[in-house]
Amino acid sequence: DAKTTQPNSMESNEEEPVHLPCNHSTISGTDYIHWYRQLPSQGPEYVIHGLTSNVNNRMASLAIAEDRKSSTLILHRATLRDAAVYYCILMNYGGSQGNLIFGKGTKLSVKP
Amino acid sequence: NAGVMQNPRHLVRRRGQEARLRCSPMKGHSHVYWYRQLPEEGLKFMVYLQKENIIDESGMPKERFSAEFPKEGPSILRIQQVVRGDSAAYFCASSPFSSGNTIYFGEGSWLTVV
Repeated sequence: DAKTTQPNSMESNEEEPVHLPCNHSTISGTDYIHWYRQLPSQGPEYVIHGLTSNVNNRMASLAIAEDRKSSTLILHRATLRDAAVYYCILMNYGGSQGNLIFGKGTKLSVKP
Repeated sequence: NAGVMQNPRHLVRRRGQEARLRCSPMKGHSHVYWYRQLPEEGLKFMVYLQKENIIDESGMPKERFSAEFPKEGPSILRIQQVVRGDSAAYFCASSPFSSGNTIYFGEGSWLTVV
């Protein structure tokens, strides 16, 4: 799986939107962009994924650049519960997907 | 629909003892993955199993570590003769197919070696 680059940390105020960026300049045509988050002392939690088009679900939105070399996870209204480490991961659907490469992710802090 | 179930959540072992971590995948999932997270580090892939088969063990340490996923029952990650460096959180994940699917993680098992 190709590598991704994320900022080490970000801060947000409660009730405000948060945009978490991810660069993946070496993405291949069969790589899906997946986002997970990990709250303290818990396992990674699936957030959202996409291939080319922007995606929305109850947790977040995913905006994917036209050239697919970057993407942004959008939390529309941050809550204290959203404080976590967010991981952007490329998952190649063409092969075995078990070996996910987790980077250091972005640690999101939410201030009340 | 119950999620990925791991037990025990916390395990303390003395150096030289054996640790056994169990993982029951989500209902309908036949693919299991184990990851390890050392303190203050990211998750690292260890092994990928289907029922009765090891598909990819490229992340497993060469010695003392083994994994199985029998036809019946949970997947087991076994660590023999534990050392302090084995202290970590071990996460299990599952998916219904080998590709094209999201992987769902359990809550983890925290191993402390004293």
